Amino acid sequence: GESVGLHLPTLSVQEGDNSIINCAYSNSASDYFIWYKQESGKGPQFIIDIRSNMDKRQGQRVTVLLNKTVKHLSLQIAATQPGDSAVYFCAEIRNYQLIWGAGTKLIIKP
Amino acid sequence: GAVVSQHPSWVICKSGTSVKIECRSLDFQATTMFWYRQFPKQSLMLMATSNEGSKATYEQGVEKDKFLINHASLTLSTLTVTSAHPEDSSFYICSARPGTAPTGELFFGEGSRLTVL
Repeated sequence: GESVGLHLPTLSVQEGDNSIINCAYSNSASDYFIWYKQESGKGPQFIIDIRSNMDKRQGQRVTVLLNKTVKHLSLQIAATQPGDSAVYFCAEIRNYQLIWGAGTKLIIKP
Repeated sequence: GAVVSQHPSWVICKSGTSVKIECRSLDFQATTMFWYRQFPKQSLMLMATSNEGSKATYEQGVEKDKFLINHASLTLSTLTVTSAHPEDSSFYICSARPGTAPTGELFFGEGSRLTVL
């Protein structure tokens, strides 16, 4: 079946370094992707989105890259901070519904 | 940004009782709200789509008589877990989309943790 999934369940990064979280998707017809951040015990927070007619989009300290050739999505967080500790989900929008990935837990080492 | 509020944030109940969780859009009107269930260390699972003024649309495998959804106004949807059992213990999250927002601008509540004893 169609799915959106993540390569790594846990990612440990030194504080101050850049973080890269990866996501693979299988539906080549998808045209809209979102990254969400979920802190422990809280609901997901929208981080950044990207449409399939773009390869890259930048926000504040975050960049999303889309490689449609290999159906791969990544989230880059610059100068990772303790407050970035969370689970990050990529999601695909299809028929107004979110198709969620499994999530990657980002751990910040002091 | 838009705010979605859930209440209660956590609840403990006895087996066999019913629990109601509220989802409110505080600063926008939401024609459609979504209810999710999340197990520990897992992704969100869409349970149902709540439509204002009409019946909710349930995902396959979700018991509509077990999880009652009411969307009586453009700012409020409720999820009632009826005759709750320990296996219903979970983190329930709602989301809402402003009526004029483009695709994808979903805003999430903080979640409600249900523990059934």
